[in-house]
Amino acid sequence: KNQVEQSPQSLIILEGKNCTLQCNYTVSPFSNLRWYKQDTGRGPVSLTIMTFSENTKSNGRYTATLDADTKQSSLHITASQLSDSASYICVVRGRGSTLGRLYFGRGTQLTVWP
Amino acid sequence: GAGVSQSPSNKVTEKGKDVELRCDPISGHTALYWYRQRLGQGLEFLIYFQGNSAPDKSGLPSDRFSAERTGESVSTLTIQRTQQEDSAVYLCASSLAGTRGGELFFGEGSRLTVL
Repeated sequence: KNQVEQSPQSLIILEGKNCTLQCNYTVSPFSNLRWYKQDTGRGPVSLTIMTFSENTKSNGRYTATLDADTKQSSLHITASQLSDSASYICVVRGRGSTLGRLYFGRGTQLTVWP
Repeated sequence: GAGVSQSPSNKVTEKGKDVELRCDPISGHTALYWYRQRLGQGLEFLIYFQGNSAPDKSGLPSDRFSAERTGESVSTLTIQRTQQEDSAVYLCASSLAGTRGGELFFGEGSRLTVL
């Protein structure tokens, strides 16, 4: 069964600290993996995309990694800011005849305290 | 418009009533998705439209739920005989299928409350 599991479910950190969010998946065959940020009351917004051949990709203070062999991805946030408080969702796209097949994790709720 | 537009942003209805939610995707986006997000929960896939292909309705939870899309433009999600468990935020997303890895652009959602 194709699944996406995220951990931790929730996380509280102090402003300025770093954190790492995890995403494990069983989706196969794999096409790509995206991390989305969902602010409270808003729709999710894409932060980064990882394809099979990519190991690391950065977008400002966000760095995503992918290990396609172990089917694991992480999102590292550096020097956190209050505005980083949000839900971070891992979404895996399967490869095959159904282009619409996307698998969503339940998200990690990050709270940054001053 | 510049982004995905959803209406209404908030809808309060009585149990048993029908509701209709609307989604205007980004112009030119051939793929359109509907998701349901209950309070504190993850996104739950409902239905997917891709061009003129038959929609993927595999996520619709019951026959009270239906969705239509006119060509590659507006979509409406209809919930008949609403129940309290239908209370959730309904998110619409559109995508240029096959390009940029299929990034989804989400609307702000329609928050449905069934009393």
